[in-house]
Amino acid sequence: DTEVTQTPKHLVMGMTNKKSLKCEQHMGHRAMYWYKQKAKKPPELMFVYSYEKLSINESVPSRFSPECPNSSLLNLHLHALQPEDSALYLCASSQDPTPYGNTIYFGEGSWLTVV
Amino acid sequence: AQSVTQPDIHITVSEGASLELRCNYSYGATPYLFWYVQSPGQGLQLLLKYFSGDTLVQGIKGFEAEFKRSQSSFNLRKPSVHWSDAAEYFCAVGASNTGNQFYFGTGTSLTVIP
Repeated sequence: DTEVTQTPKHLVMGMTNKKSLKCEQHMGHRAMYWYKQKAKKPPELMFVYSYEKLSINESVPSRFSPECPNSSLLNLHLHALQPEDSALYLCASSQDPTPYGNTIYFGEGSWLTVV
Repeated sequence: AQSVTQPDIHITVSEGASLELRCNYSYGATPYLFWYVQSPGQGLQLLLKYFSGDTLVQGIKGFEAEFKRSQSSFNLRKPSVHWSDAAEYFCAVGASNTGNQFYFGTGTSLTVIP
């Protein structure tokens, strides 16, 4: 089973709201990722968690706050977002935190609209 | 500089026709190559990957890709396209010197006409 599950599938939030995106995988993968994808563009890496520790933050604004409660779960906390943050947010995981011989598996994504 | 190039932004083919989507990479180390497909409103699904060994790899949905080191290419092919193949296709590359991530090409949008 190569499944990464994301909730919610759709989220509309105001610029003053606080919300969270959730991601879960039960493949025993030790690396988890958040990507942001705008329409007709490739995914852009935001964060990488390696063995439950944040290993990469691609200079993401602090209004996005990742959290990895355990090896199966990954959250993305959202606060004071801007309309330009509206996008598809993809969670992904891989066996190990390097593309060296590993495959990254993606979830279906969470569509975020900021109004 | 490291890069992944998909030269074709958009391709239109007739149903039943053959398909080839191009991907070129530029990396100093041995690359690990992937093709993903993204249907409208969906996440990315892995079609196939190349790590080592036979340079012609088979994937799901009848797709195949060939790694050509001399041309720095990893083109995706399908002998007969189905209407359900209409989607966005992304080539991705990882290498031993890219750390904890890999890089996506800009994508090729495939339209299939009846």
